[in-house]
Amino acid sequence: GQQLNQSPQSMFIQEGEDVSMNCTSSSIFNTWLWYKQDPGEGPVLLIALYKAGELTSNGRLTAQFGITRKDSFLNISASIPSDVGIYFCAGQLNNYGQNFVFGPGTRLSVLP
Amino acid sequence: DGGITQSPKYLFRKEGQNVTLSCEQNLNHDAMYWYRQDPGQGLRLIYYSQIVNDFQKGDIAEGYSVSREKKESFPLTVTSAQKNPTAFYLCASRLSSWAYEQYFGPGTRLTVT
Repeated sequence: GQQLNQSPQSMFIQEGEDVSMNCTSSSIFNTWLWYKQDPGEGPVLLIALYKAGELTSNGRLTAQFGITRKDSFLNISASIPSDVGIYFCAGQLNNYGQNFVFGPGTRLSVLP
Repeated sequence: DGGITQSPKYLFRKEGQNVTLSCEQNLNHDAMYWYRQDPGQGLRLIYYSQIVNDFQKGDIAEGYSVSREKKESFPLTVTSAQKNPTAFYLCASRLSSWAYEQYFGPGTRLTVT
């Protein structure tokens, strides 16, 4: 099946720092979603992206739909302890009822 | 409040027993999904249903079964044929299989010993 790659796999940052992570594929996607999962909980949808080049913000989070449509990026500004968790990307190959493909996640740790 | 509920949060079973995980949504979504999550891994699709009374196998359907008799409910049965059933199970839904956004329930952690 289709694969999504996420990098970095994990990261440790100081509180207050900005964070960048990305999601890449060898295939072209029409929709990108970014989720955050806290330990033992279900993923929560953070941002949805619908067209190439789109830049969307949700508070301190900003995500971009890559121009090539094969990647997406998530940035978190001024990180705080509650940003700790696993961030997943998900892509949909086309808009015609296709299931989403999920990346393996980026585990974020924030040091006080 | 609209949302997806999964029960129970934690489930323990003996090897060889079938167990059914509940998933209910009051979002009026047509499409529902079951995923399995193992430590350090992404989400793997078990089964999905795009409409009531219809469902399709996902990537790892062996050892699992589902039903979709009501729009709101999509229970997953983990059978004794599933070789490694211990995992975190997530239910999700979309307004339709054509919708852009997918939402998840809180998950059920199944432990089989």
